Amino acid sequence: SAVISQKPSRDICQRGTSLTIQCQVDSQVTMMFWYRQQPGQSLTLIATANQGSEATYESGFVIDKFPISRPNLTFSTLTVSNMSPEDSSIYLCSVDGGEGTEAFFGQGTRLTVV
Amino acid sequence: GQNIDQPTEMTATEGAIVQINCTYQTSGFNGLFWYQQHAGEAPTFLSYNVLDGLEEKGRFSSFLSRSKGYSYLLLKELQMKDSASYLCAVKDSNYQLIWGAGTKLIIKP
Repeated sequence: SAVISQKPSRDICQRGTSLTIQCQVDSQVTMMFWYRQQPGQSLTLIATANQGSEATYESGFVIDKFPISRPNLTFSTLTVSNMSPEDSSIYLCSVDGGEGTEAFFGQGTRLTVV
Repeated sequence: GQNIDQPTEMTATEGAIVQINCTYQTSGFNGLFWYQQHAGEAPTFLSYNVLDGLEEKGRFSSFLSRSKGYSYLLLKELQMKDSASYLCAVKDSNYQLIWGAGTKLIIKP
C-alpha cells in the first residue's frame, strides 16, 4: 500500500493567479498521476508524472496550463496556472499499487476560483 | 474508443440490497475496480476483479463477466453512511485506469 499526503486540502483563489499542489508519497513510485474531478463528474486524467523526464499529458491538457514537477520518486507538484472559474475542481494525485492492486489517492485539493 | 457505463443515480432504502451495474468497452483488460467516494473526498478502494465470478467482502460483493464486459457491485444491509458515489474503473492493456462517471447512491430511511 501507499500513503499519499496532498496539500493544500482546499483553496479559494483569484482568477489569473496560480496554485501549486503538492503530493508526498511514503514510498518510492515510478509514476504518479494527476486527476481533475469537476463537480458531479468522474475523474479525468490530466497527466502522468515520471521521475527524470517530462510529464505525459492527456488530450486537452497542456504543460503551460498545468506544469508538473517530479524531482524524485516520492514527490510531485501540479501547478494550475492563470486560473479561471472553469478551473474550479477537485484535483487528485494518485499512485498505482502495481499489477493486481488498486490505485491510491491523496486526500484531494478542492479549488475554487473566483 | 474506450467507454465505461454506469447509472447516474440510484435510490435505495436503509437495510435493503442494491446492485450497481457497470459495462465496459476497453482496449484490453487488466482488472476492474470499484471505489466509493463521499462528496468532497478522495475515492477509497472497495473491490478488485480480474477473473470471472464473485468476490465477497463483508457487506459488499463484486461480480465480473469478462465475456460480457460487465460487472456489478452489490451492497447488502444498506446503511445511511453508504450514501456516496460508486466509481467503476478498468485497467486497459497499457495498465491505465479508465474511469466511469460514477453512480450516486442515495439511501433513504
